[in-house]
Amino acid sequence: TQLLEQSPQFLSIQEGENLTVYCNSSSVFSSLQWYRQEPGEGPVLLVTVVTGGEVKKLKRLTFQFGDARKDSSLHITAAQPGDTGLYLCAGATSRAGSYQLTFGKGTKLSVIP
Amino acid sequence: KAGVTQTPRYLIKTRGQQVTLSCSPISGHRSVSWYQQTPGQGLQFLFEYFSETQRNKGNFPGRFSGRQFSNSRSEMNVSTLELGDSALYLCASSRREGVEKLFFGSGTQLSVL
Repeated sequence: TQLLEQSPQFLSIQEGENLTVYCNSSSVFSSLQWYRQEPGEGPVLLVTVVTGGEVKKLKRLTFQFGDARKDSSLHITAAQPGDTGLYLCAGATSRAGSYQLTFGKGTKLSVIP
Repeated sequence: KAGVTQTPRYLIKTRGQQVTLSCSPISGHRSVSWYQQTPGQGLQFLFEYFSETQRNKGNFPGRFSGRQFSNSRSEMNVSTLELGDSALYLCASSRREGVEKLFFGSGTQLSVL
């Protein structure tokens, strides 16, 4: 069973601060996805990283996939209240032609105005 | 383009009852996956359907079942409900089977009393 550990579990910061959340595993993934989930809604895909060492930027969000494709990080610059939500990472694996996503438990981010 | 629609939005049941949840995927999407989300366990994969066939299954007891219809709509059923089945049940659709961009619905919040 592949496990994804996300840290920190909870994060409360002031508007304008920077932050980094982590997603770690002992397993290798073919790709890794990051989602944001707001209260009362389903997760929304932010980005997919595929190549080891890959870095993707989405406005103030920077995503990095580890060289060994076992871990990933999400860095937010100058956080805003609209960034508040549950950030989930999900690793993709394939087995006998079947693909499956394994989700971490998430980092709950609160950005205080 | 309408998103993924899940009904009902909220459901309250008692132990021992059964429940059926419905999911209508985005038009043109043929793959539907179901996840259970709880604060303690996070998102856990239940099963995936593609072209009316179950393609992948998570580690849940046989009380959890599902099906997909020819129009790609899907239902999941939980029989003999237990208190621990209280959770947010999320449905996600994608164009094809396997892992690619998942679009989640807002979920059905099930409470078992």
